[in-house]
Amino acid sequence: GNSVTQMEGPVTLSEEAFLTINCTYTATGYPSLFWYVQYPGEGLQLLLKATKADDKGSNKGFEATYRKETTSFHLEKGSVQVSDSAVYFCALRGPAMVDSGAGSYQLTFGKGTKLSVIP
Amino acid sequence: KAGVTQTPRYLIKTRGQQVTLSCSPISGHRSVSWYQQTPGQGLQFLFEYFSETQRNKGNFPGRFSGRQFSNSRSEMNVSTLELGDSALYLCASSHLGLAGGGTGELFFGEGSRLTVL
Repeated sequence: GNSVTQMEGPVTLSEEAFLTINCTYTATGYPSLFWYVQYPGEGLQLLLKATKADDKGSNKGFEATYRKETTSFHLEKGSVQVSDSAVYFCALRGPAMVDSGAGSYQLTFGKGTKLSVIP
Repeated sequence: KAGVTQTPRYLIKTRGQQVTLSCSPISGHRSVSWYQQTPGQGLQFLFEYFSETQRNKGNFPGRFSGRQFSNSRSEMNVSTLELGDSALYLCASSHLGLAGGGTGELFFGEGSRLTVL
């Protein structure tokens, strides 16, 4: 089945430091890949996505590139801010077929990585 | 545009009771999914509904059930509550076509935090 593995946290960085959160996946076919972010007390928000190999997703200074050869989708940001403190989840949507023949939007998530940025 | 609304936000139940959680999707979204989030297991898929039909179901016991109404609102029910059911239950909606087209983006609500004593 599908699975997502992301680096264990927590991660603590100083403001303006470089961030990398590693994410690798196992899936059949060609999944779509996502990074979601969860701020304290809130639900998940989509941060960025990539739907095919070599696509680069980007948003709010965060980037991730879909690497099929290494089955990876690492999240990076050049200069983190205190406001980036949150939990980050890597996720995939596999080939989307269910018994009815219709599509499915089921996401498989990694365990999450808690990021704390200190001033 | 209003986001995904979940009610109640917090609730406390005792073992053996049942609970019903409600989710109102973003207007125009016909697909609703539910996820359970716990510190130990992370985010786990419960169900997915489209046009009142359950399209997909995760690996949860039959005590967990759900439904979707004609206005796309959804409810999930957990019967005979156990301590391990304590979790944040997240609902998500998407603008999903019948053929599964689109980018796959899910819009999440803030969740219903269930505590079972």
